[in-house]
Amino acid sequence: KAGVTQTPRYLIKTRGQQVTLSCSPISGHRSVSWYQQTPGQGLQFLFEYFSETQRNKGNFPGRFSGRQFSNSRSEMNVSTLELGDSALYLCASSPLTGGSYEQYFGPGTRLTVT
Amino acid sequence: AQRVTQPEKLLSVFKGAPVELKCNYSYSGSPELFWYVQYSRQRLQLLLRHISRESIKGFTADLNKGETSFHLKKPFAQEEDSAMYYCALSGRGYGGSQGNLIFGKGTKLSVKP
Repeated sequence: KAGVTQTPRYLIKTRGQQVTLSCSPISGHRSVSWYQQTPGQGLQFLFEYFSETQRNKGNFPGRFSGRQFSNSRSEMNVSTLELGDSALYLCASSPLTGGSYEQYFGPGTRLTVT
Repeated sequence: AQRVTQPEKLLSVFKGAPVELKCNYSYSGSPELFWYVQYSRQRLQLLLRHISRESIKGFTADLNKGETSFHLKKPFAQEEDSAMYYCALSGRGYGGSQGNLIFGKGTKLSVKP
């Protein structure tokens, strides 16, 4: 099976702009989670979607939002970008089999805010 | 509070030496714990999960609920084991979901020839 894919891989935006990142999960995986990775804070959970519904949300401001489509593909949006939003954004999908929440990660989208 | 602590930022060993990467967690309930590894210029990938009690690439990890630990061990380190290792906990969200992973800050393992 193809792995988790994320587009675009790299993005440069200016403060105040908004950005949309896309994630395609592994075929058959219905749960998609998003994480932010920075050198200072490490890997932090943003939100999880399952069957087009947000099931879980991390401690991030409302500028961060997401959605999931009927084919399980997911997008996350960051509005009014700040310099501190520069990070690697990771998407992960989970098969949710056997009660396990093991997640499979994409390569990430590197967002730079100038 | 749900938390994962990896006390060592960097661990350096010689090839053939035993390796132990420490992980301690804080969680009220029955946790699900994982080790993820990130090799240079590669994506984060699942190495081990405690419920399967398997050995992958010679690594094992045992969940010790009394000590709230999930240390990763390998008896004989190889140069190709050099990577960033993250311990992660499947946490509890609203509605009972466990779809979020709480990560430690990671330990960089360097295996010298």
